[in-house]
Amino acid sequence: GDSVTQMEGPVTLSEEAFLTINCTYTATGYPSLFWYVQYPGEGLQLLLKATKADDKGSNKGFEATYRKETTSFHLEKGSVQVSDSAVYFCALSFTGGGNKLTFGTGTQLKVEL
Amino acid sequence: KAGVTQTPRYLIKTRGQQVTLSCSPISGHRSVSWYQQTPGQGLQFLFEYFSETQRNKGNFPGRFSGRQFSNSRSEMNVSTLELGDSALYLCASSSLAGLYNEQFFGPGTRLTVL
Repeated sequence: GDSVTQMEGPVTLSEEAFLTINCTYTATGYPSLFWYVQYPGEGLQLLLKATKADDKGSNKGFEATYRKETTSFHLEKGSVQVSDSAVYFCALSFTGGGNKLTFGTGTQLKVEL
Repeated sequence: KAGVTQTPRYLIKTRGQQVTLSCSPISGHRSVSWYQQTPGQGLQFLFEYFSETQRNKGNFPGRFSGRQFSNSRSEMNVSTLELGDSALYLCASSSLAGLYNEQFFGPGTRLTVL
């Protein structure tokens, strides 16, 4: 079945450091890919998305590029802030397959001063 | 627009009881999906309802059920609660107006089973 694999956390960075959170997927076909963020005590918020190969999703300084050849969708940010501390989830879904999202296990990010 | 709302936010039940959780989607959204979030299993899809019909179902036992009303509000029910049902239950709504299945999540209901 379809699955998403994320790097284990927690990831601890100093403010203004460069962030990469790896995400790879296994799927039959070409899914849409998403990054969601969950702040403490809250639900999930969509951070960015990409719907086809080579698409780049971006939002709030975060970026991720849909790489079909490596089945990856790594999340990057050039300079993290303390306010970016949260849990990040990579997910996939298929257009026409209903609204089922398959999530990775999540990566906790801690940004320190 | 108001976001997705879920009630109650916190719930404590004992084993063997049943529970009903409620979700009100964003106005105009017709699809409602439910997810269970636990530290051990992560986020797992329970089911999706669209126009009062279950369209998708995850791999959960029959104790987990749901329904959707004509105003798109949805409820999920868990019968004969087990300790392992303790989790954050998240609801998400989608308009399906676009192609990309973008979903908007509510804050969740934290269920504790004692």
